[in-house]
Amino acid sequence: GENVEQHPSTLSVQEGDSAVIKCTYSDSASNYFPWYKQELGKRPQLIIDIRSNVGEKKDQRIAVTLNKTAKHFSLHITETQPEDSAVYFCAASLGIQGAQKLVFGQGTRLTINP
Amino acid sequence: ETGVTQSPTHLIKTRGQQVTLRCSSQSGHNTVSWYQQALGQGPQFIFQYYREEENGRGNFPPRFSGLQFPNYSSELNVNALELDDSALYLCASRIGGKTYEQYFGPGTRLTVT
Repeated sequence: GENVEQHPSTLSVQEGDSAVIKCTYSDSASNYFPWYKQELGKRPQLIIDIRSNVGEKKDQRIAVTLNKTAKHFSLHITETQPEDSAVYFCAASLGIQGAQKLVFGQGTRLTINP
Repeated sequence: ETGVTQSPTHLIKTRGQQVTLRCSSQSGHNTVSWYQQALGQGPQFIFQYYREEENGRGNFPPRFSGLQFPNYSSELNVNALELDDSALYLCASRIGGKTYEQYFGPGTRLTVT
């Protein structure tokens, strides 16, 4: 079945610097790759996503890149701010007969140091 | 915040008991998925319901079952609770057949003692 590996497990950056989180997936048929931000005690919040027919997508300070050949995708956060501190999860989704099963990575705890 | 709600917020049960968790999907969303999130882990897919039918299931035993109602709200039932069932249970809704984006509810924290 699908497997998603996420690295690093923890990441600490200075405020204003960039942060990059990387994920690899196993099933080449995966067609949708969302990123979720989860603050302590809160629900996972969809922050950006990309479909398999697109190589890059950007939304203000956040961007996601996808390399289908290598089966990996990355989250880039620029000009980091203290409120970016949270756990970030990548996921890969394989749609089969209408069912969209998200397989999540293990998460990255991002800490922004002021 | 999304329009997905869950109840109850917290629940404490004893091993062997049964539990029912509830989810109200975002308006217009006809598909609900349930996930189990153990402490420090990513969410794990339990199953998905589309138009009141289960149409996808993860690696969870049959004692995990569900329902979806005509108004697209949903229930997750867990029988014969085990200590390892202690986790945050999340539901997520989307518009099946049209969109990929899934929006999560706040979750139910289940503790099995």
